[in-house]
Amino acid sequence: DAGVIQSPRHEVTEMGQEVTLRCKPISGHDYLFWYRQTMMRGLELLIYFNNNVPIDDSGMPEDRFSAKMPNASFSTLKIQPSEPRDSAVYFCASSSSATGKVRETQYFGPGTRLLVL
Amino acid sequence: SQQGEEDPQALSIQEGENATMNCSYKTSINNLQWYRQNSGRGLVHLILIRSNEREKHSGRLRVTLDTSKKSSSLLITASRAADTASYFCATVSGTYKYIFGTGTRLKVLA
Repeated sequence: DAGVIQSPRHEVTEMGQEVTLRCKPISGHDYLFWYRQTMMRGLELLIYFNNNVPIDDSGMPEDRFSAKMPNASFSTLKIQPSEPRDSAVYFCASSSSATGKVRETQYFGPGTRLLVL
Repeated sequence: SQQGEEDPQALSIQEGENATMNCSYKTSINNLQWYRQNSGRGLVHLILIRSNEREKHSGRLRVTLDTSKKSSSLLITASRAADTASYFCATVSGTYKYIFGTGTRLKVLA
């Protein structure tokens, strides 16, 4: 398996622009998590999905952030409009409940490094 | 959300020495996990310890858990330069919500 795939790996944009981050989870995984990592705040859970349905979005910082999972193999995290304080590394992770393992490990993608100027 | 605190924030040791890092958390947990993050990469799962366990071993890794003190430690024995990375603890409670600690940056000098 190729693991969790994220694109783009790097994104530089100007304040006010829309940014879309993409994630392909590991095939067969039914949980998908979006995280944001910064030096100041560490690794924060933004939102997670189960079977394509958002379960907990309490970590989404504000209305400028939205996430979708139209099918089991694709998710997007959108920021509109972007601001300099959104600069961070955004990680997608997936997990499977098939063997009761969803609480036992997460598989992370390589991350998208976002810089908003 | 609450986060675990890890200490030290940074640790520098010589190859062959042991590295110990600690994690404290605030809520009751189902299990506690340790992850490694190499520079510019995603996190990789290392080891899991359940709330009813006190110690777990995996290769050169040893994890302890003290639920009364809400703390855990990760020991890496006979460290290698390739162990240079950041190490995070993550607690999992009743939901599927993972809460990650602030991380320890380990540097192993050859």
